[in-house]
Amino acid sequence: DTGVSQDPRHKITKRGQNVTFRCDPISEHNRLYWYRQTLGQGPEFLTYFQNEAQLEKSRLLSDRFSAERPKGSFSTLEIQRTEQGDSAMYLCASSFRDRGPQSTDTQYFGPGTRLTVL
Amino acid sequence: KNQVEQSPQSLIILEGKNCTLQCNYTVSPFSNLRWYKQDTGRGPVSLTIMTFSENTKSNGRYTATLDADTKQSSLHITASQLSDSASYICVVSASAGGYQKVTFGTGTKLQVIP
Repeated sequence: DTGVSQDPRHKITKRGQNVTFRCDPISEHNRLYWYRQTLGQGPEFLTYFQNEAQLEKSRLLSDRFSAERPKGSFSTLEIQRTEQGDSAMYLCASSFRDRGPQSTDTQYFGPGTRLTVL
Repeated sequence: KNQVEQSPQSLIILEGKNCTLQCNYTVSPFSNLRWYKQDTGRGPVSLTIMTFSENTKSNGRYTATLDADTKQSSLHITASQLSDSASYICVVSASAGGYQKVTFGTGTKLQVIP
């Protein structure tokens, strides 16, 4: 396994168009996270899944954003009616969380998808 | 409100020199603290992770320290190399009902020059 992969790496779209990004986590990881990162800032949490269940969504995730992880493996993040403010790097991370008290749930990040909305 | 503050915001050092990056946090209840290295245009890569009971962790030329009483952490880079040029992000996790809420710092941008 080569780690977390994301597709596409770059996406340029016109304002108002819909875009969809894909994330393939490390195969044995049960948790998958989406983050958004703008230039010079740290990543901001968007949402996270444990297996196929979406357990938490940030207030940053407006009605135009939707994420799915239908089979508990890969995930998609769709942005509808894109706006210029959506331009950012979208990062996906995965981790393995067990029930043990020493589980540290380290997140492994993908390379990101850079979205530019014109 | 959970917050993670890093200093300095940016740093330029000569190749071969040492440097120390700082992270202060107000995250509760504390679970663990991680340092990530992020090259420009790429995803973050984990360097170290420390839980409450650990006060130092090394990974090659990177040594992280944690003082859970003062809620401070530092990342010390020894004998810097040009490839160390990147942003270094401090990430603190809080335990919340069986899963962890993660707070990212804004990072320290390090530039190593020859």
